[in-house]
Amino acid sequence: GAGVSQSPSNKVTEKGKDVELRCDPISGHTALYWYRQSLGQGLEFLIYFQGNSAPDKSGLPSDRFSAERTGGSVSTLTIQRTQQEDSAVYLCASSLYGGSQPQHFGDGTRLSIL
Amino acid sequence: AQKITQTQPGMFVQEKEAVTLDCTYDTSDPSYGLFWYKQPSSGEMIFLIYQGSYDQQNATEGRYSLNFQKARKSANLVISASQLGDSAMYFCAMREGEGQNFVFGPGTRLSVLP
Repeated sequence: GAGVSQSPSNKVTEKGKDVELRCDPISGHTALYWYRQSLGQGLEFLIYFQGNSAPDKSGLPSDRFSAERTGGSVSTLTIQRTQQEDSAVYLCASSLYGGSQPQHFGDGTRLSIL
Repeated sequence: AQKITQTQPGMFVQEKEAVTLDCTYDTSDPSYGLFWYKQPSSGEMIFLIYQGSYDQQNATEGRYSLNFQKARKSANLVISASQLGDSAMYFCAMREGEGQNFVFGPGTRLSVLP
């Protein structure tokens, strides 16, 4: 079956431009997560969505970052007025609800800000 | 306070030997789950093993086992008979209660020597 799909796999853009990163979770997974991982570092939690509940945005580093999840499925992470420190790999994961269900990760989007 | 602590930024092990990667956690919720993920240099996050707080026995999955010491709040990953392909970053993560928020530790980089 299909796993978590992220696009684009790589994105290079100029400082100051807006970017949109897309995540298509595993069908039926109610929870969707976004993380950021800088080179050689751990995962930095950004935001997660659970069904129709209000998202937990507590990890978003600034108001330049926003995310939507339409129809409880596909999610878009938007970074406005990109800065060089936004360069990282952005990972998306999805999970069935609760208990022993692990997160399943996509391959990530490698974002480079010139 | 850190919810997940991994005190070993880097570990070396000789091929075919066993290695233990440390993880301690902090929670006041009696119900929680602990997860280990592997991230090879290719970047994908691979789920390895799960331990529930109410599980009576330590989890095992092939060469992976989890040394769960609830009173000490530790959930160390044991890899037996290390292989060169085990060289990767290893992340410990926790889910508290039936919630969906995962917290990841900073990771341990394991290098298996021939």
